[in-house]
Amino acid sequence: QKEVEQNSGPLSVPEGAIASLNCTYSDRGSQSFFWYRQYSGKSPELIMFIYSNGDKEDGRFTAQLNKASQYVSLLIRDSQPSDSATYLCAVNTGNQFYFGTGTSLTVIP
Amino acid sequence: GAGVSQSPRYKVAKRGQDVALRCDPISGHVSLFWYQQALGQGPEFLTYFQNEAQLDKSGLPSDRFFAERPEGSVSTLKIQRTQQEDSAVYLCASSRERLNTGELFFGEGSRLTVL
Repeated sequence: QKEVEQNSGPLSVPEGAIASLNCTYSDRGSQSFFWYRQYSGKSPELIMFIYSNGDKEDGRFTAQLNKASQYVSLLIRDSQPSDSATYLCAVNTGNQFYFGTGTSLTVIP
Repeated sequence: GAGVSQSPRYKVAKRGQDVALRCDPISGHVSLFWYQQALGQGPEFLTYFQNEAQLDKSGLPSDRFFAERPEGSVSTLKIQRTQQEDSAVYLCASSRERLNTGELFFGEGSRLTVL
C-alpha cells in the first residue's frame, strides 16, 4: 500500500462546476496535508495546506480533512479552464513528505 | 535568489555516463529534498537534508545515486553509470522549516534523458 493514494482520473468537469479531488493516506501520525497543482511540464506549486480536522477555505478552493478516516479532499468551485492541471496530494508524516500520483483535471469550456 | 533554482534544465546522457544535477534552494531554507518524477507519476522521494546533514537517503534507488549539501545551501545529486530507467525529471524542493512543519517550494526540475 502506498503512503498516499489518489484517483488518477482523468476527471473532467464543465466550466463553472465544482471539481472534487480525493486523497487517502496510510500513516495515522501524519501531521500536515498539502495540495499542489502541477501544469504539464512545470513544477508543483502549492494550492493549500491544512493541519486540523474540518474545512479550510481560500477563495474558490476548499480543503477538507478527516483524520479519523485518513481522508483529505480538495473542492474547486466555479471551475475555470485555467484550473486544468494535475493535482498532487502531499502528506507530511513528520519523518517524510509523501506525494500521491496525482489526479488529472480537465475543465471543459 | 527568489526561488529554487535547478540546473541543467535538460540533460541528455549516453548510458553509462555520469551526471550531476545542481539545486540552489531559497536562501536560508533549512530543509532540502530531492524527488524523482517519472512521466505521469507523482514525485518519488529520493533524499532529505537538514542544513548540511543528510538525514534520510532511503529513497535513493541504488548506490549509483549520491547527493551532497556540504555547506548547507547548494546541493548536488550525482548519478553514476546512468541507465535508461534513470530517465525522469529530478525535482529539488526546499523548506524554511525543519521536516515536520512547513511547505515545500519546488524548482523547475532537471529533465534527464538517458539514451
